[in-house]
Amino acid sequence: AQSVTQLDSQVPVFEEAPVELRCNYSSSVSVYLFWYVQYPNQGLQLLLKYLSGSTLVKGINGFEAEFNKSQTSFHLRKPSVHISDTAEYFCAVGGGTGGFKTIFGAGTRLFVKA
Amino acid sequence: KAGVTQTPRYLIKTRGQQVTLSCSPISGHRSVSWYQQTPGQGLQFLFEYFSETQRNKGNFPGRFSGRQFSNSRSEMNVSTLELGDSALYLCASSFGSNYGYTFGSGTRLTVV
Repeated sequence: AQSVTQLDSQVPVFEEAPVELRCNYSSSVSVYLFWYVQYPNQGLQLLLKYLSGSTLVKGINGFEAEFNKSQTSFHLRKPSVHISDTAEYFCAVGGGTGGFKTIFGAGTRLFVKA
Repeated sequence: KAGVTQTPRYLIKTRGQQVTLSCSPISGHRSVSWYQQTPGQGLQFLFEYFSETQRNKGNFPGRFSGRQFSNSRSEMNVSTLELGDSALYLCASSFGSNYGYTFGSGTRLTVV
């Protein structure tokens, strides 16, 4: 079965500092990988996705993620965060043996401090 | 272009009642998925529909059911509500599993 592990439940960081949110996945076959962001009282918004090809994926709001097949990781990064980036971030895996469902990690709460 | 629309936004129900939630996907999206989000369990997959057919179902009891209409709109129904069903129910639509989802704002269900 496929699974996703987000290694940090909360990440506090100062404004304009870089941040990395860590995600590891488990799958015996190739999968699709996603990062979503959820602001309070809202649904989730797709930040970026990896399907194939280049391992460095750029998304919206200045975020990027790197797919590492050997380490089964898909970490999310941003070189300089803003207060407005405070939200919950979800890593997700789809396709593969999961069929038509996408499995989400438990989420990482990013808290940007002034 | 209109996003994914979920109605109602908030619901308060009593234990034992049943509830129906509605989701209108983005025009052209034929895949609709439902998730339950709670603080303790995170996002749990309920089911996915494509062209009126349920293609995948999560590990939820039979009290949870859904359907999709010919216009791709979807409904989910929960019968005999329990306190533990209190959650944010999210609907997501897409062209397919490798495109990523567009989520609605959710329906917050409170069972008292």
